[in-house]
Amino acid sequence: DAKTTQPTSMDCAEGRAANLPCNHSTISGNEYVYWYRQIHSQGPQYIIHGLKNNETNEMASLIITEDRKSSTLILPHATLRDTAVYYCIVRVPNFGNEKLTFGTGTRLTIIP
Amino acid sequence: EADIYQTPRYLVIGTGKKITLECSQTMGHDKMYWYQQDPGMELHLIHYSYGVNSTEKGDLSSESTVSRIRTEHFPLTLESARPSHTSQYLCASSGRNTGELFFGEGSRLTVL
Repeated sequence: DAKTTQPTSMDCAEGRAANLPCNHSTISGNEYVYWYRQIHSQGPQYIIHGLKNNETNEMASLIITEDRKSSTLILPHATLRDTAVYYCIVRVPNFGNEKLTFGTGTRLTIIP
Repeated sequence: EADIYQTPRYLVIGTGKKITLECSQTMGHDKMYWYQQDPGMELHLIHYSYGVNSTEKGDLSSESTVSRIRTEHFPLTLESARPSHTSQYLCASSGRNTGELFFGEGSRLTVL
């Protein structure tokens, strides 16, 4: 699985868009980008994933650059409940194997 | 809403005791996982299973053992607990080949 680089921490004002970057310059053609978050040591929660097209769901948007070497997770209107550690993971979804390797992630703090 | 449950949520136990952490899911998922996480640190995969009677060691060596006799149940056992086993243990499951894992709330173990 390709290695990812994320900032250690970020702050965002409540109500503003939170933009979390992730670099994955060694990503290969069949690797997907996944985002999870972990709120205060609870179990991680799946947010979104994508291959090369931008993706949007009820939680967030995922913007992947054309060369796929980086991506940005966007929380459009951050709330205090979005304070969490956000993990960017790049991997191939193998049949029969969804082992995920979580790095250190980005600690996002939403400021009132 | 994911239906995966872990018990106990919190356990304080003395050295040398045998403990079993329970994990059950009602989603019919074939694949299940155990992660270990110390406070403020990364998650590490310690065990996983592709289905009934299938168990594999994860990326981090662990003295714990697991079993998978039923699809919905994936218990983790420590035969003789030690203070070094103090940690949070997170169970997860996945039923589709999309990389989406569903996590339980975790079991926080303290060994005195």
